Amino acid sequence: DSGVTQTPKHLITATGQRVTLRCSPRSGDLSVYWYQQSLDQGLQFLIHYYNGEERAKGNILERFSAQQFPDLHSELNLSSLELGDSALYFCASGQAGGRNEQFFGPGTRLTVL
Amino acid sequence: SQQGEEDPQALSIQEGENATMNCSYKTSINNLQWYRQNSGRGLVHLILIRSNEREKHSGRLRVTLDTSKKSSSLLITASRAADTASYFCATDTIQGAQKLVFGQGTRLTINP
Repeated sequence: DSGVTQTPKHLITATGQRVTLRCSPRSGDLSVYWYQQSLDQGLQFLIHYYNGEERAKGNILERFSAQQFPDLHSELNLSSLELGDSALYFCASGQAGGRNEQFFGPGTRLTVL
Repeated sequence: SQQGEEDPQALSIQEGENATMNCSYKTSINNLQWYRQNSGRGLVHLILIRSNEREKHSGRLRVTLDTSKKSSSLLITASRAADTASYFCATDTIQGAQKLVFGQGTRLTINP
C-alpha cells in the first residue's frame, strides 16, 4: 500500500459525459501528479500540482482539467468524453525536489461506452 | 513520447532463475526509477537510482546505471512466481519539471 488513495476504482460512462476522479496523496506529500495509461500510448504524464499550484502540464487534452485543494487532495475532471479516453488514470504523490520519488495510487479504470 | 525503451518486451523464465531487464533512454536524467505493475493494477515503486550512482541494491533487486550509454538494468535474483508482473523504468530529466517519462515495460513471467 503506497498510501495514495484514488476513488472510484472503476467508472463506466457514456460518450459526451463528464467525470471526476479523486486522489488523496500520502501524508506529508505536497506534490500530486496525474498519469494516463492506455494500451496504445502507454503511461503518459498529464499534469503536476505542488501545494495547490499547477507546476507542469504534459499531454493533457483541453477537455481535461485538474486542481489541488487546500487539504492537498486533487481532482481530475474529464469532460466531453470520447471512446479513446478509456484508460487507467493514476495519481502519484511525492515530496518533489531532487529525488523525485513518486508513489502511485491504485488507479481509476475509466470505460467510456 | 516515450523516453525509455525496455528490452526485452517480454521475458519468461523458471522460478529460481535470475531475470534481467534493460532500459535505454534518450536525454540526460536526474534520476531513474523502476516500478512493478501487476496486471492492470497500481504501480509499485521498487528502487530509485540517481544519475551520479552506478549501482544500487534492494533485497533481491540490483539496479545499474550507465549514463554514458544512457541505459539501466534491473536484475531480480532467485525469481519467484510472485515476481510475475510488468516492469517499467521511468526517468525524470533535468529539463522535465519532475514529470516521469515511462518506457513501454517488460512483461516478466515466472514459471513454477
